[in-house]
Amino acid sequence: NAGVTQTPKFRVLKTGQSMTLLCAQDMNHEYMYWYRQDPGMGLRLIHYSVGEGTTAKGEVPDGYNVSRLKKQNFLLGLESAAPSQTSVYFCASSRGQETQYFGPGTRLLVL
Amino acid sequence: RKEVEQDPGPFNVPEGATVAFNCTYSNSASQSFFWYRQDCRKEPKLLMSVYSSGNEDGRFTAQLNRASQYISLLIRDSKLSDSATYLCVATGFQKLVFGTGTRLLVSP
Repeated sequence: NAGVTQTPKFRVLKTGQSMTLLCAQDMNHEYMYWYRQDPGMGLRLIHYSVGEGTTAKGEVPDGYNVSRLKKQNFLLGLESAAPSQTSVYFCASSRGQETQYFGPGTRLLVL
Repeated sequence: RKEVEQDPGPFNVPEGATVAFNCTYSNSASQSFFWYRQDCRKEPKLLMSVYSSGNEDGRFTAQLNRASQYISLLIRDSKLSDSATYLCVATGFQKLVFGTGTRLLVSP
């Protein structure tokens, strides 16, 4: 089992560009999450999903959109990237409201 | 006020020392609690769950005090490899709530 994988691992964007981060899990988990982590701020929840076809806003959803068309995939989109979105993005999944398993992260730099 | 609060540290300890981290949570409805470990530039990984009766896993002991809404992690006989950031976690509505972490540095 690969667990939780994220692509890409690293990306540089210019302000205003768009991109999609892909998260995939092979554990048949219902719940999936997108976090961002910035120095001194800890993990902050962007959006999450409690099942295929469902999404919900987290703590810092502005500027991001998500989709969960397939149970194993959770996509995070940035429509118009801003320097404030420079961060490390982690995806996680869980069977329910319990232990979350994290992907290795995507480092995004917005110039 | 943050839902889960931790002292950011860093805690600098010599090898072999015992060190304790504390954490408080504000949501009295939280049902489950965890400690995660995060190494530099890596993803968080589950260290251990925290049970009401307290639990131990080798050199690590976790305690929960529901009345005071307080969680602790005790590390005995610290190793160099214990150097990391330790995240305190409580369940919220449909999600986990993470503290900002406590950094531990173990030196020779």
